[in-house]
Amino acid sequence: DARVTQTPRHKVTEMGQEVTMRCQPILGHNTVFWYRQTMMQGLELLAYFRNRAPLDDSGMPKDRFSAEMPDATLATLKIQPSEPRDSAVYFCASGLGGQVQNYGYTFGSGTRLTVV
Amino acid sequence: AQKVTQAQTEISVVEKEDVTLDCVYETRDTTYYLFWYKQPPSGELVFLIRRNSFDEQNEISGRYSWNFQKSTSSFNFTITASQVVDSAVYFCALRDAQGGKLIFGQGTELSVKP
Repeated sequence: DARVTQTPRHKVTEMGQEVTMRCQPILGHNTVFWYRQTMMQGLELLAYFRNRAPLDDSGMPKDRFSAEMPDATLATLKIQPSEPRDSAVYFCASGLGGQVQNYGYTFGSGTRLTVV
Repeated sequence: AQKVTQAQTEISVVEKEDVTLDCVYETRDTTYYLFWYKQPPSGELVFLIRRNSFDEQNEISGRYSWNFQKSTSSFNFTITASQVVDSAVYFCALRDAQGGKLIFGQGTELSVKP
């Protein structure tokens, strides 16, 4: 089965450090999402891309978070500087969006981030 | 604004009982898509079903069934003869027709006890 691959699976870092999370979407998928899951807020959309172009990043704290797609096989989410409140599980998902087809998005296994 | 409400935070049943997870959504779109995802204790999000707003046929897949009713904006999920392996958090989600973002409900944690 095709998979969305996220690295690292776990990350513990000190407050103030830069954190980079990576996602390899399923080949051929043109839409990539970043979600954050916390107990308090549940699953929140941070940003998403269509054909590598950012469509919506309104859910992302702009001062410290940034999301990019350097190419079609890699999406990155960076936090600089990290804070304890950023501790969460970060999920990447990919799928086919737009008017072409609509399927369920496939999620990666997530990156569990702990900022101490 | 789009919104998904899963009013049941936690449900606990005994194995072999039937259980229904409720999902109510709000949207102004005339075409939209509804989803259910399962998140087992291992943490990954597993896609279960997608439903189009123009198709109100109920769907059955093994022990799982889904009841979509546009009149009440609900998309409920029933597990028949529940099993311990069904224990997980279940999320209902809504997406617009343009293939945009998924709006998730808060999730329902289902615990199936032997």
